[in-house]
Amino acid sequence: QKEVEQNSGPLSVPEGAIASLNCTYSDRGSQSFFWYRQYSGKSPELIMFIYSNGDKEDGRFTAQLNKASQYVSLLIRDSQPSDSATYLCAVPPYAFGNEKLTFGTGTRLTIIP
Amino acid sequence: DTGVSQDPRHKITKRGQNVTFRCDPISEHNRLYWYRQTLGQGPEFLTYFQNEAQLEKSRLLSDRFSAERPKGSFSTLEIQRTEQGDSAMYLCASSFRPGQGAETQYFGPGTRLLVL
Repeated sequence: QKEVEQNSGPLSVPEGAIASLNCTYSDRGSQSFFWYRQYSGKSPELIMFIYSNGDKEDGRFTAQLNKASQYVSLLIRDSQPSDSATYLCAVPPYAFGNEKLTFGTGTRLTIIP
Repeated sequence: DTGVSQDPRHKITKRGQNVTFRCDPISEHNRLYWYRQTLGQGPEFLTYFQNEAQLEKSRLLSDRFSAERPKGSFSTLEIQRTEQGDSAMYLCASSFRPGQGAETQYFGPGTRLLVL
């Protein structure tokens, strides 16, 4: 089992709809979880992080964490064409220790105008 | 622009040559990470520093790779005797290790290496 798993996509969503991106992780000790956005040919850009069970909202983005199910998701409301990118889920393996990130392969999201 | 800079942005070299990349982190950040990313994959951890100390190296980092952060500020990553399999995007990230709470890493623009 991979440490961090994401559906590679592509995921196509109509403009204005909600895009839902999912990520599962294997290390039960992980405490914080990160979502990065990466445009083609560019470096990853931090969107959100979450470390408490439940939802965390920031503008059009909502991160959801369920530690019991080892599952973290990212919802993008009112999707815009500029949201078309690859979304990377990243998890450090230890709680507040070495914070090297283990990334999933990313989900490629396309917003259809 | 996150404030992390990398140089060069692109490098084309011939197999067997040595290359060196530089990363300048956000000035108040005490941690610096190197990752490598190939097409269709997420970034993979290579090594990281806290101040000038190199605290961990991935098994991915063969003996041909060496990294330094001599004064706890900028870092260099050197690849000796490059191979075609070294072709990738090399990403640098920096962070500030807080007393508590999540540590967030900010990435530079990357150095894209092509080994011919």
